[in-house]
Amino acid sequence: GENVEQHPSTLSVQEGDSAVIKCTYSDSASNYFPWYKQELGKGPQLIIDIRSNVGEKKDQRIAVTLNKTAKHFSLHITETQPEDSAVYFCAASIRSATNKLIFGTGTLLAVQP
Amino acid sequence: EAGVAQSPRYKIIEKRQSVAFWCNPISGHATLYWYQQILGQGPKLLIQFQNNGVVDDSQLPKDRFSAERLKGVDSTLKIQPAKLEDSAVYLCASALEGGSWGQETQYFGPGTRLLVL
Repeated sequence: GENVEQHPSTLSVQEGDSAVIKCTYSDSASNYFPWYKQELGKGPQLIIDIRSNVGEKKDQRIAVTLNKTAKHFSLHITETQPEDSAVYFCAASIRSATNKLIFGTGTLLAVQP
Repeated sequence: EAGVAQSPRYKIIEKRQSVAFWCNPISGHATLYWYQQILGQGPKLLIQFQNNGVVDDSQLPKDRFSAERLKGVDSTLKIQPAKLEDSAVYLCASALEGGSWGQETQYFGPGTRLLVL
């Protein structure tokens, strides 16, 4: 079955710097890749997603890139702010009757003011 | 728009006891998911409902876990009897039409934090 690996597990940056989180997936049939942000005591919240027919997607300070050949995708956050501090999860799914999401292990991002 | 509601938010029980969690999805959402999130890990799907039917329960430990979604709206997840390794956050999520080959956004509730002593 699908397996998603995520790195790094923790990331500390200074306010205003950029942060990059990387994920790899194992099943080449995966075609949907969402990123979730989870703040302490809350459920995950979708921040951006990308489908396999697109190589890059951007939404203000957040961007995601996808390399289907290498089977990896990355989250880029520019001009980080303290409120970006949270745990970020990548996920992958194969278009099917269930569209089951397989999550990575998470990255704890700390933005130092 | 109201989000996914879950209760209780916290629960502490002793091993071998039973516990139940409740979820109310976003109005109109046909698909409902229960996830288990162990500390330091990503959510893992336990069961997925499409309306009131089970779509995927392949990772549900059926000897102790059960779930139902009566009338295709609210859902209840039960553990009986609980084990120490069941300590985790149980997340409920819903999607407008997450099955039927559509990959739509899953909206998560705040979760129920379970501690089994």
